[in-house]
Amino acid sequence: GENVEQHPSTLSVQEGDSAVIKCTYSDSASNYFPWYKQELGKRPQLIIDIRSNVGEKKDQRIAVTLNKTAKHFSLHITETQPEDSAVYFCAAPKGGNTPLVFGKGTRLSVIA
Amino acid sequence: ETGVTQSPTHLIKTRGQQVTLRCSSQSGHNTVSWYQQALGQGPQFIFQYYREEENGRGNFPPRFSGLQFPNYSSELNVNALELDDSALYLCASSLAGGNEQFFGPGTRLTVL
Repeated sequence: GENVEQHPSTLSVQEGDSAVIKCTYSDSASNYFPWYKQELGKRPQLIIDIRSNVGEKKDQRIAVTLNKTAKHFSLHITETQPEDSAVYFCAAPKGGNTPLVFGKGTRLSVIA
Repeated sequence: ETGVTQSPTHLIKTRGQQVTLRCSSQSGHNTVSWYQQALGQGPQFIFQYYREEENGRGNFPPRFSGLQFPNYSSELNVNALELDDSALYLCASSLAGGNEQFFGPGTRLTVL
């Protein structure tokens, strides 16, 4: 089955700097890699995802990169803002399809 | 288009009791997955329902059971509650064969 590891567990950056969160996965059949943002007391919200047929995807200040050979994918947030402060989770499908196996999360703090 | 909804939002039970949590899937979505999120952890997959049948199960004991109804809404039942069952219970809906999962707001269960 799928195993997802996420680093770092906590990350503090100055407002305006970039933040990078990395995940590795174990199942080479996995073909879909989402990132979720969870604010305190709220639901996880899908912020960006990538499929295995592309290496990078961008959406404004957020980007995700995928290295299938090394089985890792990363979330990049540029020009960070205080409202980016939250817990971020990476995930990969169990058995190559839904449902999802989640990483343990990264608590991002953006310091104004 | 309506999003995923869950009820109740909060629930307090005592050890040994039984609980039923409810989820209405996003309009057009026919697959529902349930996750347990302990404090400070990522969501853990419990099971998934498609066409009113269980379609995959995580590492949870049989006292965790579920149902899906013809309108795709779903229930999670937990019997013989234990203290460790205290968590945020999330349901996520998706299209069959699709990867994107959208989460409901969750039910916070406290077992005393």
